[in-house]
Amino acid sequence: AQSVTQPDIHITVSEGASLELRCNYSYGATPYLFWYVQSPGQGLQLLLKYFSGDTLVQGIKGFEAEFKRSQSSFNLRKPSVHWSDAAEYFCAVGEWVTGGGNKLTFGTGTQLKVEL
Amino acid sequence: DTEVTQTPKHLVMGMTNKKSLKCEQHMGHRAMYWYKQKAKKPPELMFVYSYEKLSINESVPSRFSPECPNSSLLNLHLHALQPEDSALYLCASSQDAPQETQYFGPGTRLLVL
Repeated sequence: AQSVTQPDIHITVSEGASLELRCNYSYGATPYLFWYVQSPGQGLQLLLKYFSGDTLVQGIKGFEAEFKRSQSSFNLRKPSVHWSDAAEYFCAVGEWVTGGGNKLTFGTGTQLKVEL
Repeated sequence: DTEVTQTPKHLVMGMTNKKSLKCEQHMGHRAMYWYKQKAKKPPELMFVYSYEKLSINESVPSRFSPECPNSSLLNLHLHALQPEDSALYLCASSQDAPQETQYFGPGTRLLVL
């Protein structure tokens, strides 16, 4: 079964500092990988996704992520964090299901706090 | 337009009540999803509909009854819920193909008394 691990439950960074959020996955085939962000009490917004091709993917809000098959990782990065980036970040792996639809399995999430 | 709407935003119900959550999208997506999210936890998949047919039921108790009346609408009927069912219920939709992005609604915050 597929699974996702986000080893950091909480991360605090200063505004303007760089950020890296870790994600490790377990999946037998080529994974479909996603990063979503969730502000308090809100739905999830897609930041970026990877399913093939260039292993460095660019997303919205200045985020990027790098897929490393040898390390089973898909870490999220941002060179300079803004106070508005404070939120919960979820890494997810998708699986196409017989009968239709994609099943997303989420990691436990990383809560990002930004200090001014 | 990449919007998924959900109503109501908040819902308080007793354990003997019957209520429904509604979800709507107009992006032409043919796959729709219900997720449950407890506080400080990731979303957990409950149901998947593909072309208005139930594709996945993740062993959800029968007190939750999904319905997909057409390709734009998804309902979740609630009956005889328990306090532990209190959570944020998220709806999502996507194109019905591998690696397609799921677009999430803002959720319905449910409190069961």
